Amino acid sequence: AQRVTQPEKLLSVFKGAPVELKCNYSYSGSPELFWYVQYSRQRLQLLLRHISRESIKGFTADLNKGETSFHLKKPFAQEEDSAMYYCALRGYGQNFVFGPGTRLSVLP
Amino acid sequence: DGGITQSPKYLFRKEGQNVTLSCEQNLNHDAMYWYRQDPGQGLRLIYYSQIVNDFQKGDIAEGYSVSREKKESFPLTVTSAQKNPTAFYLCASSPTGESTEAFFGQGTRLTVV
Repeated sequence: AQRVTQPEKLLSVFKGAPVELKCNYSYSGSPELFWYVQYSRQRLQLLLRHISRESIKGFTADLNKGETSFHLKKPFAQEEDSAMYYCALRGYGQNFVFGPGTRLSVLP
Repeated sequence: DGGITQSPKYLFRKEGQNVTLSCEQNLNHDAMYWYRQDPGQGLRLIYYSQIVNDFQKGDIAEGYSVSREKKESFPLTVTSAQKNPTAFYLCASSPTGESTEAFFGQGTRLTVV
């Protein structure tokens, strides 16, 4: 079965503090993993994908197959990072499976 | 302006009525998806289609129906059989193949009274 879990519904950090949004998945093959972000009043958009190994807006995520995790990290949070973050997996049938989401609130 | 367009943005219907949500894309994507977004539950897949004239049920297909007669269009009908239809509905599309992302519409908020 394909499943994505995000244990934190809400994560609050102060501006300049490090942030880590957790994501774990269950999938028997080699998944494609993504982080999507939804800013207030904007559509859901791709933040980054594991295969590209890039840093977007200072965020990085490393796929750990042993721990089946794909945590999103940023060393210094900014107020404009406040948003809803969804971890997603693409597996069987090519459809996307999303986690429940974590709302990140960066306090001034 | 390329992308995915969902209409209307807000929709109100009386209980017992069927309602159809529109989703159009001009990205030439083969795959299209419908998700339902509820607070605390993330996005749950209703239906998806990998190619014209073919579609598959997602995790919560009961009470919904779709059609895919054209590549650009994937309308979703919320029937009276759907027990809790009030929600935010998101349509997405993607190219098929590896390492491709999903692109999302702005969503339709359906309220059934």
